[in-house]
Amino acid sequence: DAKTTQPPSMDCAEGRAANLPCNHSTISGNEYVYWYRQIHSQGPQYIIHGLKNNETNEMASLIITEDRKSSTLILPHATLRDTAVYYCIVRRGPGGATNKLIFGTGTLLAVQP
Amino acid sequence: GAGVSQSPRYKVTKRGQDVALRCDPISGHVSLYWYRQALGQGPEFLTYFNYEAQQDKSGLPNDRFSAERPEGSISTLTIQRTEQRDSAMYRCASSHSSASGYNEQFFGPGTRLTVL
Repeated sequence: DAKTTQPPSMDCAEGRAANLPCNHSTISGNEYVYWYRQIHSQGPQYIIHGLKNNETNEMASLIITEDRKSSTLILPHATLRDTAVYYCIVRRGPGGATNKLIFGTGTLLAVQP
Repeated sequence: GAGVSQSPRYKVTKRGQDVALRCDPISGHVSLYWYRQALGQGPEFLTYFNYEAQQDKSGLPNDRFSAERPEGSISTLTIQRTEQRDSAMYRCASSHSSASGYNEQFFGPGTRLTVL
């Protein structure tokens, strides 16, 4: 599975959009981009995933560049409860799936009041 | 509904003792995963099951670590002859199916293992 690179930490003002970048320059054609987050000592929580099209759900939006070498997770209106470590993970999809998640060190997002 | 549960939540043991960590997945979930997480690090994959079959155990660090899921539901991670370096949070996750790559993994609260 491709390796990802994320900034170790970011700050964001409450109510503003939080944009978390991720580089995955070695991603291959059948690999998906997944985002999970981990709030304090809780278990990781799935946020969103995508292949090449932009995706949106009730939690966030995922913007993937056309060459798929990087992506951005957007939390449109960050709240204090969004303070967490955010993990960008690249893994294979169907037809050769490896089901384990390979976490890096992630980005610690601190939402400031 | 009930999420993934793990027990015990905290385990303190002496070096050289065996420990068994239990995971109760979400009802009906086919796949079950074990991860280990050191302080300040992301979770590290250990092993996973589809039903009762252990599909991948490549992350188990050595032969002191083993896992089973005999009836395709509850799983036990066993660490024999524990060492201080085994101290970590052990997390279990489950998902609907591993047949596709879209399976969201739901994580349990973890078991904090401390080896003295």
